[in-house]
Amino acid sequence: AQTVTQSQPEMSVQEAETVTLSCTYDTSESDYYLFWYKQPPSRQMILVIRQEAYKQQNATENRFSVNFQKAAKSFSLKISDSQLGDAAMYFCAYRRLNSGGYQKVTFGIGTKLQVIP
Amino acid sequence: GAVVSQHPSWVICKSGTSVKIECRSLDFQATTMFWYRQFPKQSLMLMATSNEGSKATYEQGVEKDKFLINHASLTLSTLTVTSAHPEDSSFYICSARDPARFYNSPLHFGNGTRLTVT
Repeated sequence: AQTVTQSQPEMSVQEAETVTLSCTYDTSESDYYLFWYKQPPSRQMILVIRQEAYKQQNATENRFSVNFQKAAKSFSLKISDSQLGDAAMYFCAYRRLNSGGYQKVTFGIGTKLQVIP
Repeated sequence: GAVVSQHPSWVICKSGTSVKIECRSLDFQATTMFWYRQFPKQSLMLMATSNEGSKATYEQGVEKDKFLINHASLTLSTLTVTSAHPEDSSFYICSARDPARFYNSPLHFGNGTRLTVT
């Protein structure tokens, strides 16, 4: 079974600074997707960034980037120039590339990010 | 972009009653929808996978008779919590993917439903 581990229950960052959230996962698959989702106080789950495991290049979306280390099964999220609106719970998630009909997504326990003005 | 609508946003019901939560895909047809449950300060736990026109697939430990799922159309899945108990109080979130973009489609989430059973 796939597991996703986020070892940082809470993190804080000064506004405009950079913060990195950690995520490791365990899988025997070679092809899969990894995601970072953001859940603000509104509880709406918002996709931040995604990475296909077969791509060596790290995904980037504006101020958000990942450090994907496939051999180490590590998938960290870097938030640059942190803004107050970045404050939220961040969930790392894993999904198999093809699971024969539906794609079950496994979530980590989350990291609460606080942005300090 | 794709949008998933969930209704109601919050509901309070008495013990022993049933409550229905709806999940709609607004601009795509979702053959598969997923129902998650989230306890306070915890992660999302997959409860079941809802398949249009067939029976839902439940995760281990989830009571099928208590959490009834119906996926009668390509745009609507419902979760009915039957004979609700206070321990069923939680945040329920549905999600769906756009099958037109199967391999590259992330999950799209509804806004969630906060259920409180008194």
